[in-house]
Amino acid sequence: AQKVTQAQTEISVVEKEDVTLDCVYETRDTTYYLFWYKQPPSGELVFLIRRNSFDEQNEISGRYSWNFQKSTSSFNFTITASQVVDSAVYFCALIIYNFNKFYFGSGTKLNVKP
Amino acid sequence: DAGITQSPRHKVTETGTPVTLRCHQTENHRYMYWYRQDPGHGLRLIHYSYGVKDTDKGEVSDGYSVSRSKTEDFLLTLESATSSQTSVYFCAISETGQGAMYEQYFGPGTRLTVT
Repeated sequence: AQKVTQAQTEISVVEKEDVTLDCVYETRDTTYYLFWYKQPPSGELVFLIRRNSFDEQNEISGRYSWNFQKSTSSFNFTITASQVVDSAVYFCALIIYNFNKFYFGSGTKLNVKP
Repeated sequence: DAGITQSPRHKVTETGTPVTLRCHQTENHRYMYWYRQDPGHGLRLIHYSYGVKDTDKGEVSDGYSVSRSKTEDFLLTLESATSSQTSVYFCAISETGQGAMYEQYFGPGTRLTVT
């Protein structure tokens, strides 16, 4: 069975602090994809990144970075120098190739205070 | 932005009445999904479609049915709405290609209240 766990229900930081959102996944399949989505207070879901199971290279995009470690089944997301606009709920998701079903974590609500 | 619309965006209905939510895409993507979002549960898959007239159940499919008669439209029906189906419903689309499974793009959501 597949499962995604985001143990941090809610995190509060002060602007300019760095923050890491944790994502731990479970699967026995060797080919899978991992995703992060952002849901701002306006409610839409915004795609941030996709990673396949054969690519463990970390990725950096501006203030965002992602650390994928198969050894610990984790795909963590770090925001550097957080801003108020980063306040949102962030979801981690997993899909097993050829099974077409996305499994979402329960989300982490990030509050960035000025 | 991916061309996905949902209608209606808000609906209030009474227990026991049928309700149909519509998802429309202009991207010609093969896969379409219906999720519900509830506090503490994140997004849970209700049903999905992998082609016209091809659908399958997700983890919370009881009380829901779907239909896809055209590539661009995916309908979610609550045959007899219950208060436990009060939720925000999201439609999503995705595609595959070159041995990859691509990201899902989401519609704006429909807030359904069953009184």
